[in-house]
Amino acid sequence: DAGVTQSPTHLIKTRGQHVTLRCSPISGHKSVSWYQQVLGQGPQFIFQYYEKEERGRGNFPDRFSARQFPNYSSELNVNALLLGDSALYLCASKVSGGETQYFGPGTRLLVL
Amino acid sequence: EDQVTQSPEALRLQEGESSSLNCSYTVSGLRGLFWYRQDPGKGPEFLFTLYSAGEEKEKERLKATLTKKESFLHITAPKPEDSATYLCAVFPNTGFQKLVFGTGTRLLVSP
Repeated sequence: DAGVTQSPTHLIKTRGQHVTLRCSPISGHKSVSWYQQVLGQGPQFIFQYYEKEERGRGNFPDRFSARQFPNYSSELNVNALLLGDSALYLCASKVSGGETQYFGPGTRLLVL
Repeated sequence: EDQVTQSPEALRLQEGESSSLNCSYTVSGLRGLFWYRQDPGKGPEFLFTLYSAGEEKEKERLKATLTKKESFLHITAPKPEDSATYLCAVFPNTGFQKLVFGTGTRLLVSP
């Protein structure tokens, strides 16, 4: 079975631009979560979506938004990019009723 | 505030030299503790889930244990391919699926 997939793998943007990152969960998984991992740190929780609804939000500004589609794939949007948004953005999915989250390979975002 | 602290930050071992990684945590109701392995530039790879104090899980050269305040990841006779960053995360009782991660332990195993 395919794992969690994310696109693009790498992205370079300039300050003030907007970016959209995409995630496809493992087949049968309806919950998707997004994390930001700055170099040398552990991942930090941004959002959880389940059945197309936001179920939880971390301590991130309103520039960060997300949505989940009927096929359970998800997008993370970041507006007005700052240099500090440079990070590895990770998507994770889990099966309903389960606890374990499985992570994708991430999207490496560099903001210049 | 939910918090996870991992030690040491970095660990260098010779092949075959066993050791342990520590994860101490404070959490408002623990629904689970997770260990992940992360290779440079890649996403975390799931290793273990532990739910209650006294629980142990094993996989090849790795064994994870859990107490009420900390978890240990024991590595027995490591090989160079075990070199990676090992992340510990807790799942607090927040009502939604949020993992709180530590900063990880970077393990380097030399042949």
